[in-house]
Amino acid sequence: GQNIDQPTEMTATEGAIVQINCTYQTSGFNGLFWYQQHAGEAPTFLSYNVLDGLEEKGRFSSFLSRSKGYSYLLLKELQMKDSASYLCAVRERNYGGATNKLIFGTGTLLAVQP
Amino acid sequence: KAGVTQTPRYLIKTRGQQVTLSCSPISGHRSVSWYQQTPGQGLQFLFEYFSETQRNKGNFPGRFSGRQFSNSRSEMNVSTLELGDSALYLCASTPAPGVADTQYFGPGTRLTVL
Repeated sequence: GQNIDQPTEMTATEGAIVQINCTYQTSGFNGLFWYQQHAGEAPTFLSYNVLDGLEEKGRFSSFLSRSKGYSYLLLKELQMKDSASYLCAVRERNYGGATNKLIFGTGTLLAVQP
Repeated sequence: KAGVTQTPRYLIKTRGQQVTLSCSPISGHRSVSWYQQTPGQGLQFLFEYFSETQRNKGNFPGRFSGRQFSNSRSEMNVSTLELGDSALYLCASTPAPGVADTQYFGPGTRLTVL
């Protein structure tokens, strides 16, 4: 089956660091994406991992362990504008042909407090 | 480079009507995917097109259909609208299926069915 789990909500303080975890079980794996989505807006691409390890992009880092079916998004130096929903998505490996189909988790709503 | 564009941005329809949504991918991108986002179900994959061919389809009834034109623009159609079809419809584009390390979404079309 296909299952992606993320915490529903998290709260953190401005200037702090927060880690949002994602575990997945999918029928095939061809990369993991993280998106940020503010209320009423479309998702914005944050990061992509296909190999194990850490990818760093400014204040955002994402980690992947394929053997554990686990990823996390690390946000440093939190700002109020980081209050948003964070979506973890797995791209399937379709043995019938390459695909861009993403399976999304339900998202983690992060509230950054002063 | 212009991003993914979707028209219209907002639509209000009544039950039983049909609707057509349009997506223009990033210039040079030939793969377009469609997603439905609702508060209850989150982001769910609808279908994927590449070179005018549907490559993948999600678990939606036959009332949901789509197509892609030779210029890579894509349309999706929903016939016999139901209240539950009220959602944000998003499209995303990449150069080709399964290889991109980014997948950018358009701003979405918010459909309200009364």
